[in-house]
Parts: sequence; structure tokens; C-alpha cells
Amino acid sequence: DSGVTQTPKHLITATGQRVTLRCSPRSGDLSVYWYQQSLDQGLQFLIQYYNGEERAKGNILERFSAQQFPDLHSELNLSSLELGDSALYFCASSVGLAGTYNEQFFGPGTRLTVL
Amino acid sequence: KNEVEQSPQNLTAQEGEFITINCSYSVGISALHWLQQHPGGGIVSLFMLSSGKKKHGRLIATINIQEKHSSLHITASHPRDSAVYICAVRPNDMRFGAGTRLTVKP
Repeated sequence: DSGVTQTPKHLITATGQRVTLRCSPRSGDLSVYWYQQSLDQGLQFLIQYYNGEERAKGNILERFSAQQFPDLHSELNLSSLELGDSALYFCASSVGLAGTYNEQFFGPGTRLTVL
Repeated sequence: KNEVEQSPQNLTAQEGEFITINCSYSVGISALHWLQQHPGGGIVSLFMLSSGKKKHGRLIATINIQEKHSSLHITASHPRDSAVYICAVRPNDMRFGAGTRLTVKP
């Protein structure tokens, strides 16, 4: 158990819908990262937050957005869902900013299926 | 060409064999990670390296910054080592290799 929690574990929805994925980092960790793992693209970095502020952006679509709240939990919002958004979405947390050589701890993931 | 290349893509070994998985990258990095993903999907961070060598139990990870290459070794492999091993590098964000699927047969 990494100490990172993600809810829900599984999510099945229809095209065009909007969903919210939730992540609670390990106690004391200030950085939260979101990753997408699809069958054809593998693991991809989406976005990073540090202590409530966006710090780095990767291959995140405009239909996706995220935020980190004062209690440090984070939410990833996916809207206008398409079939290709079906994937495993991982959250990870670390103590500090990337570049300060912090190990990342991964949550169990949310499996999103868009029908 | 991908920024992070792993080899082999798939590897089957007999229990007890010594395993090596390779990772080559083409970008400047501040750190390299080896991750393990089990069939259930969960990801565990095995190592984070910025230089030299690290050992944890039967796992050894090495990195050569000049050659932009890292290896993950598993000594005395066991069926429970069966998983996908993923190399990831960190210039600023995290960039992932495609993974090596390891199957260890009893």
C-alpha cells in the first residue's frame, strides 16, 4: 500500500459525458501527478500540482482539467468523453517538486471505460 | 524514435535465472525511475537513480549518465517477479518507456 488513494476504482460511462477522478496523496506529500495509461499510448504524464499550484503540464487534452485543493487532494476532470479516453488513470504523489529527486508513490489507479 | 527505449519488449525466464532489462534514453535527465506494474495494474516504484548503482534485495539498478543507459537486474528470479517493468526518465516531467513484460516460469 503506497498510501496514495484513488476513487473510484472503476468507472463506466458514455461518450460525451463528464467524470471526476479523485486522488488523495500520502500524508505530507505536497506534489500530485496525474498519468494516463492506454493500450496504444502506454503511460503518459498529464499534469503536476505542487501545494495547490499547477507546476508542469504534459500531454493533457483541453477537455481535461485538474486542480489541487487546500487539503492537498486532487481531482482530474474529464469532459466530452470519447472512446479513446478509455484508460487507466494513475495519480502519484511525492514530497516536493520534481527536480529535487523525490520518489513518486503511485495510487492504485482508476479504470475508465467509455462506451 | 521514442525518447525512452527499453529492451527486450518481452522476456521469459526460468525460475532462478539472472534477468537484465535495458533502458536507453535520448534526453538530459535529473533522475531515472524503474517501476514495476503487476497484472492487476498497480504500479510500484522500485528505484530512483541519478548516478551509480542501487540494490534492494534481489534487484539491482545501474545507470551510466554519459552513455544515457540504465539496466535493471534481477538475481535468482522467481515467478512472483512476473510483471511489466517500466523505465521512466525525468527531465522535468516524466517520460516512460513502453515496458518490458517479464514472465518467470517455475
